[in-house]
Amino acid sequence: AQSVTQLDSQVPVFEEAPVELRCNYSSSVSVYLFWYVQYPNQGLQLLLKYLSGSTLVESINGFEAEFNKSQTSFHLRKPSVHISDTAEYFCAVTPLNAGGTSYGKLTFGQGTILTVHP
Amino acid sequence: GAVVSQHPSWVICKSGTSVKIECRSLDFQATTMFWYRQFPKQSLMLMATSNEGSKATYEQGVEKDKFLINHASLTLSTLTVTSAHPEDSSFYICSANDRTGANEKLFFGSGTQLSVL
Repeated sequence: AQSVTQLDSQVPVFEEAPVELRCNYSSSVSVYLFWYVQYPNQGLQLLLKYLSGSTLVESINGFEAEFNKSQTSFHLRKPSVHISDTAEYFCAVTPLNAGGTSYGKLTFGQGTILTVHP
Repeated sequence: GAVVSQHPSWVICKSGTSVKIECRSLDFQATTMFWYRQFPKQSLMLMATSNEGSKATYEQGVEKDKFLINHASLTLSTLTVTSAHPEDSSFYICSANDRTGANEKLFFGSGTQLSVL
C-alpha cells in the first residue's frame, strides 16, 4: 500500500515570493508521482508528473518538482508565484506495475491550499 | 482536448433519498472510470473502479450496496448513493483514462458536492 503526506495544509505567500509545497510518500514498491491542482470551482488538473528519467520535472506555468528517492519526497516549487496560482495542490502516487501504469488508482495527499496575496 | 463531464456539481437532499451522479467522457472512450470521495480536510480516497460492461471493483470499506456503480457504455459511468444519510455528505469526483494515442492520460470531472440534511 501507499501513503502520501503533504506536510502543510495551508501556505500563504505574497505575490512574486518563492514557494515550496512539501510532499512525502511511503510505498513498498516503486511509484510514479504526480502533482494535481484544483482552482476554485474547477476540477482537478494534472500539473506535472514524474515517471522516469530526470528527477526534476517542470510544468508549463513555472512550477517544478524534484523526485528524491532516498528521502521519498516530491516537493513542488515555484521561484515566483502569481495571484493566479492560488489553488489547492494535491500530491499523488500510483504504484508501478509490470504491465505499465494504472493512472486511475491514485493515492492522494491531504492537499495544500496555496493562497497568494498581493 | 479530452474532457470528463460530471453532473450535477452539487446536490442537497433529505436523508433517505437516493442520489445519482453522472460521469461522462467527452471525445474519448473510457473503458475504466474511477470514483473518489473527499471528506472535509481529508485527502481524496478511491472508492471504486468502474469497468465498462462488468461489475465495479470496490475498495475496502466501501459498501457496494450503498454506492451503486453502473458503467453501461464506454462514455458514461454513474454512481448512485442509495438512501443517503448525513454521513455520506462529501465531495465525489470521477476520473477516466484516455488510452488513445501514445500516452495514456487521466482526466478528472469537476466533482459533485453532496450535502445530506
